[in-house]
Amino acid sequence: DAGVTQSPTHLIKTRGQQVTLRCSPKSGHDTVSWYQQALGQGPQFIFQYYEEEERQRGNFPDRFSGHQFPNYSSELNVNALLLGDSALYLCASSSGTGQLSGNTIYFGEGSWLTVV
Amino acid sequence: KNQVEQSPQSLIILEGKNCTLQCNYTVSPFSNLRWYKQDTGRGPVSLTIMTFSENTKSNGRYTATLDADTKQSSLHITASQLSDSASYICVVSTSRDGYNKLIFGAGTRLAVHP
Repeated sequence: DAGVTQSPTHLIKTRGQQVTLRCSPKSGHDTVSWYQQALGQGPQFIFQYYEEEERQRGNFPDRFSGHQFPNYSSELNVNALLLGDSALYLCASSSGTGQLSGNTIYFGEGSWLTVV
Repeated sequence: KNQVEQSPQSLIILEGKNCTLQCNYTVSPFSNLRWYKQDTGRGPVSLTIMTFSENTKSNGRYTATLDADTKQSSLHITASQLSDSASYICVVSTSRDGYNKLIFGAGTRLAVHP
């Protein structure tokens, strides 16, 4: 049973470019959340997708957008990249919108984005 | 403001020793509290999940406690091993508008030396 898979694992982009990160949730999970984790910091919530719709959003600008497909996989898109966007981007999957009730949330290994 | 604060920021211990990591939170309403272990450059891995009514939960050599009255939690690691070297993140789940949200602490970086 594959866990949460993310791609690519590492990538380097220049300022102003656009990037797309991908995530496949754990089998049986239908909810995907994205987080940004700067070096030495805890993850910061970007947004959550459930039933192909964005259900919650953190304090991130519109440059950050996403999508969820019918097979529950998800993409995170970041436009007009800034140096400060350099971070580890984590995808987390769960069942339902429940980051609650003791449901275990599984994280992928993350995508390391470096903006130069 | 919903916040999760962890202490110490970093910790060095010798292999075989015990240690305790602290987590204080000001999150309301409270749904549950989770501890995660995150190896450098890897995704977080769940250690424990505790709801309001639980005050202790173990996972092997890891034991988490929760005092919902004082809004404090601790993670105790017994007989530490070199592989315990990682960041340990305290996460509190809250709810708003019918949806639940995770509030992450900055983590405690633990280094276990031989």
